[in-house]
Amino acid sequence: AQTVTQSQPEMSVQEAETVTLSCTYDTSESNYYLFWYKQPPSRQMILVIRQEAYKQQNATENRFSVNFQKAAKSFSLKISDSQLGDTAMYFCAFMKHVNNDMRFGAGTRLTVKP
Amino acid sequence: DVKVTQSSRYLVKRTGEKVFLECVQDMDHENMFWYRQDPGLGLRLIYFSYDVKMKEKGDIPEGYSVSREKKERFSLILESASTNQTSMYLCASGIQGAKAGELFFGEGSRLTVL
Repeated sequence: AQTVTQSQPEMSVQEAETVTLSCTYDTSESNYYLFWYKQPPSRQMILVIRQEAYKQQNATENRFSVNFQKAAKSFSLKISDSQLGDTAMYFCAFMKHVNNDMRFGAGTRLTVKP
Repeated sequence: DVKVTQSSRYLVKRTGEKVFLECVQDMDHENMFWYRQDPGLGLRLIYFSYDVKMKEKGDIPEGYSVSREKKERFSLILESASTNQTSMYLCASGIQGAKAGELFFGEGSRLTVL
């Protein structure tokens, strides 16, 4: 089964600065999707960004971008111009294309400081 | 807006009791998932379903079963609750195909087993 590893349990960043969250995964699949989800305090999980494994171009969504290194099985999230509202748990996730089995990492708690 | 509704926000049960957690989605999604969320462990997949009456085991199916008799409803059953099943349970739904992986989550059910 695939595994997702987030090695940074907690991180902090000053407002307006840039922060990068790390994620690695292990799989024998060739066709899959990768995601970053955000869980604000006491609120529901929401999708931040999505990457198809067959696409070499890194996905971007406004201030959020990823660095997808397929050979290294690495998928980091960069948040630019951090805002107080970015404070949340961030989860990296992997989905198998064949049956949509979706697994999450342990999460990184990000605090944006004013 | 997609709505994923979990039947109970908070439950307190005794060891050995049978527990039912219900989840209903209103967007005709094919995929439905049950995760448990524990601090430091992230989201761990219990079971998922990609169609009515179909189910697949996740990482931690032991002690749990599921039922999906109708497309919109996915139930998680704890046959005989134990204290180590005290946790937050999250239900999610999503479509298959090109937008697979964009999951919509319920608010969660916090279960305490005494």
